[in-house]
Amino acid sequence: AQTVTQSQPEMSVQEAETVTLSCTYDTSESDYYLFWYKQPPSRQMILVIRQEAYKQQNATENRFSVNFQKAAKSFSLKISDSQLGDAAMYFCAYRSRRGNFNKFYFGSGTKLNVKP
Amino acid sequence: DTAVSQTPKYLVTQMGNDKSIKCEQNLGHDTMYWYKQDSKKFLKIMFSYNNKELIINETVPNRFSPKSPDKAHLNLHINSLELGDSAVYFCASSQDYGVNTEAFFGQGTRLTVV
Repeated sequence: AQTVTQSQPEMSVQEAETVTLSCTYDTSESDYYLFWYKQPPSRQMILVIRQEAYKQQNATENRFSVNFQKAAKSFSLKISDSQLGDAAMYFCAYRSRRGNFNKFYFGSGTKLNVKP
Repeated sequence: DTAVSQTPKYLVTQMGNDKSIKCEQNLGHDTMYWYKQDSKKFLKIMFSYNNKELIINETVPNRFSPKSPDKAHLNLHINSLELGDSAVYFCASSQDYGVNTEAFFGQGTRLTVV
């Protein structure tokens, strides 16, 4: 089974600074999707960014970008110009593109604190 | 115009009771899920349905019974509630193919068993 590991339970960043959240995963598959979700205190799960494994180009969404290293099975999230509203739990997730794709595997989450 | 809506948002009940959580999606997705988020925020899949058919049942006690009357609805019924069932339960849906392959989540139901 696939596993997703987030080794940083909690991180802090100063407002306007940059922070990188780590995620590694274990899979024998070559075709899959990776996601970062944000969960603010409202507990709503919000998609931040997605990456298709067959695309070599790293995904970006405004201040959010990923560093996808397929060979190393690493998928980190970089948040630039951090804002107070970025404070939340962040979850990394994996989904197969073929075979057993009716399942999302989530990491244990990283709590991000943003200091004014 | 909510994409995935689940009710109720909060549920407080006594041990031994039976309760249900309802979920509906208007995205036309084929797959729906129930996830449980425990007090440590870990998200664990419970069930996955594809076109009303049960695909995944992740060693969940049989006190939990999902029901999918059609592919837009997936309800969760819990019998004989226990203290350890206290958690946030998320309904989600996804499409099988295409560009937007992420899971869309409901707002969660915080279940407290006292």
